[in-house]
Amino acid sequence: DIVMTQTPLSSPVTLGQPASISCRSSQSLVHSDGNTYLSWLHQRPGQPPRLLIYKISNRFSGVPDRFSGSGAGTDFTLKISRVEAEDVGVYYCMQSAQFPLTFGGGTKVEIK
Amino acid sequence: DVQLVESGGGLVKPGGSLRLSCVGSGFLFSSQSLNWVRQPPGKGLEWVSSISTSTSFLYYADSVKGRFTISRDNAKDSLYLQMNSLRPEDTAVYYCSRGWQLGDVENWGQGTLVTVSS
Repeated sequence: DIVMTQTPLSSPVTLGQPASISCRSSQSLVHSDGNTYLSWLHQRPGQPPRLLIYKISNRFSGVPDRFSGSGAGTDFTLKISRVEAEDVGVYYCMQSAQFPLTFGGGTKVEIK
Repeated sequence: DVQLVESGGGLVKPGGSLRLSCVGSGFLFSSQSLNWVRQPPGKGLEWVSSISTSTSFLYYADSVKGRFTISRDNAKDSLYLQMNSLRPEDTAVYYCSRGWQLGDVENWGQGTLVTVSS
């Protein structure tokens, strides 16, 4: 199984300041079709997860452009250019390059 | 708007069974791959099972293989998870999700809570 490791576990941020979350996979996420299946999800307290980014850097419908994803192979990053109050919660990376699908342990973003 | 609505959760004793359902609307259900993902209280996300559009491909996490069965009824826009031989460690909120490709998780339901306890 592919193990997904996120850092940091927790990230206190100031409103309006940037935030960054890292995700590392134990194996390359490059599929035989040439795509890299790394996604980022956000879960607010008491809410279901929602998809933010798919295939490393593609923003899902309705996701603000302050969210961006980057990386390749086994190392990936989610960046929030200017954190807003609604961005609090837990962020998960997820790989769908192969089954079983696996998630990172989550990074909690909170406002200082 | 895309909507996924789960139901069927509840309190069940160890060894018991439950059948979860997820009804989709706002999209062409038959053209979407579907997933079940669970989240134990206070913990992270764990993938459970996925099913392709035509049910040709079924995948299960090792932790549920042989106990859980995923299925779908495209005529009813419904996804199911039959859960047998339930264990306390199966206690979680169970979410259904959909996507264009197998493994995609574009939209999620609100979840249904399953509690396995004596």
